[in-house]
Amino acid sequence: DAGVIQSPRHEVTEMGQEVTLRCKPISGHNSLFWYRQTMMRGLELLIYFNNNVPIDDSGMPEDRFSAKMPNASFSTLKIQPSEPRDSAVYFCASSSSSGTYGYTFGSGTRLTVV
Amino acid sequence: DAKTTQPPSMDCAEGRAANLPCNHSTISGNEYVYWYRQIHSQGPQYIIHGLKNNETNEMASLIITEDRKSSTLILPHATLRDTAVYYCIVRVRTGANNLFFGTGTRLTVIP
Repeated sequence: DAGVIQSPRHEVTEMGQEVTLRCKPISGHNSLFWYRQTMMRGLELLIYFNNNVPIDDSGMPEDRFSAKMPNASFSTLKIQPSEPRDSAVYFCASSSSSGTYGYTFGSGTRLTVV
Repeated sequence: DAKTTQPPSMDCAEGRAANLPCNHSTISGNEYVYWYRQIHSQGPQYIIHGLKNNETNEMASLIITEDRKSSTLILPHATLRDTAVYYCIVRVRTGANNLFFGTGTRLTVIP
């Protein structure tokens, strides 16, 4: 298994532009999580899905952020319009529904908004 | 989920055992202790988890005190590749939900 796959690995964009981050979870995992990591705030959960349905999006900072999971093998996190304060590393993770043996994280997308 | 307290940093000599402590005095009876680590620029990696018995796998050992208010992650023979931030998390095992990552312990393995 290739693990959780995120793309792109790095993204540099100008303020005001739309940014889309992508994630492919591990096959058979039915829970998917989006986290954001900054020096100031550490790792924060943005949103998670069970069976493609958003369960908790209370961590999404504002309406500029949206996430979708159209099927079991793909999810996107979109920021529109992007702002410099959105600069961070965004991680996607997946797990089985029980989460028993932990979550598997992707390598992350480092987003820089200039 | 219960809150955890970890020392901000620790050093360990290469080849020696690294013992990373974690306090979780408010842990509930149905909450497990999980350990993750994050090597620089990588996503967090699951290490081990336990309820009340000591656990061991190919990566580490987990020692949980009898009252479950604290635990210790042991890396038996630390290598330079074990340099990372280690997070202790307590959570209910059933059901996928949020993992709350605190500030963790930054372990530096010294040659």
